[in-house]
Amino acid sequence: DAGITQSPRHKVTETGTPVTLRCHQTENHRYMYWYRQDPGHGLRLIHYSYGVKDTDKGEVSDGYSVSRSKTEDFLLTLESATSSQTSVYFCAITPGSTDTQYFGPGTRLTVL
Amino acid sequence: ELKVEQNPLFLSMQEGKNYTIYCNYSTTSDRLYWYRQDPGKSLESLFVLLSNGAVKQEGRLMASLDTKARLSTLHITAAVHDLSATYFCAVDPDSNYQLIWGAGTKLIIKP
Repeated sequence: DAGITQSPRHKVTETGTPVTLRCHQTENHRYMYWYRQDPGHGLRLIHYSYGVKDTDKGEVSDGYSVSRSKTEDFLLTLESATSSQTSVYFCAITPGSTDTQYFGPGTRLTVL
Repeated sequence: ELKVEQNPLFLSMQEGKNYTIYCNYSTTSDRLYWYRQDPGKSLESLFVLLSNGAVKQEGRLMASLDTKARLSTLHITAAVHDLSATYFCAVDPDSNYQLIWGAGTKLIIKP
């Protein structure tokens, strides 16, 4: 399973509150990604990271920020959650030894 | 705008039948991915296709890539119920692992 965990796995929050999702990997991979999955849209890339303190925006980054202060942790923050950010969030890694992208178990976020 | 289109988006079929899912994309890409997702679960990698004419097979699933036509197919042979899932294709147009995804094909296989 590529050693990826996400926390929390489920969260319900209210509009306007800050939320932080955590992705943790155990194998020191450089490349990490945050996606959101919504019905009819497949997955869409939010932010990605190529190493510690090396992050950049993806396709749908508005309203999200990320941080990576350690190789193993990639944090996704919603500064002020909105109902449009209700989604399932997946973290992924790409090992340097392969082109395959592996996914964490996902976090289901509901913003009321 | 880069588009990745899958069709059909929904497919209901009988066990034992053959069928093909199509993935068209609108720009060049060196990599084409196929994933499987069961309801409420994460995504599982099926195939990574890296060159024109690439063909990979795993059990009853076979994927192929035609980069000139910007088309990949996922062929299911003699379908069984356990293959019921949603299948996604994704491309990597800039070869930097920032994947662009299709909307998914929900496959239901009836006994």
